[in-house]
Amino acid sequence: QSALTQPASVSGFPGQSITISCTGSRSDVGGYNYVSWYQQHPGKAPKLMIYDVSNRPSGVSNRFSGSKSGNTASLTISGLQAEDEADYHCSSYTSSSSWVFGGGTKLTVL
Amino acid sequence: QVQLVESGGGVVQPGRSLRLSCAASGFTFNNYAIHWVRQAPGKGLEWVADVSYDGNHQYYANSVKGRFTISRDNSRNTLYLQINSLRAEDTAVYYCARTLLQYFDYHGMDVWGQGTTVTVSS
Repeated sequence: QSALTQPASVSGFPGQSITISCTGSRSDVGGYNYVSWYQQHPGKAPKLMIYDVSNRPSGVSNRFSGSKSGNTASLTISGLQAEDEADYHCSSYTSSSSWVFGGGTKLTVL
Repeated sequence: QVQLVESGGGVVQPGRSLRLSCAASGFTFNNYAIHWVRQAPGKGLEWVADVSYDGNHQYYANSVKGRFTISRDNSRNTLYLQINSLRAEDTAVYYCARTLLQYFDYHGMDVWGQGTTVTVSS
């Protein structure tokens, strides 16, 4: 149950697009299409942004999209806005019938 | 509205026990698997455990197996986490979170509580 690997931080200017990667193994990200992404503002609970690699829950902006290639999943945010500044966490179901999260990525909107 | 509310956190001495609760409302509790997820100060999220919608199956992170017990009372719409032999590294905000789809626990967590803080300190 090793944590998934995410960059510690990413940044971008308003209107730009950014991508956050999430790397695991064949036992988690690469083996299942059960990757999800969460947005977390300081002092708040996480919010589900993407589930099953690329699906958006109702109410989540279509500026958020997800994808996967091999053992790496990605979250792309297009048309960056100030309110997108937050921590982003990826998660995957694993072959041990458990879940594993990444270390989290701090997004800064410049 | 759909809601989860955690309680039971506090400051506890190492080696003691604690039971966290998560009260659900606004949805059919016994149709959903529920998770516990924790977040140490300044750190990322860590999945702790989950229990199936009917309470018959429990799954744990290796880091807590043997010390933590997850359970649910569907008649009371409440989830529990019993934590024994508390350690300093258990200090965290503990969240309960509902799975997105009924009956399955594969598809992410769409409803989260506000969290309850556990501090292990002598």
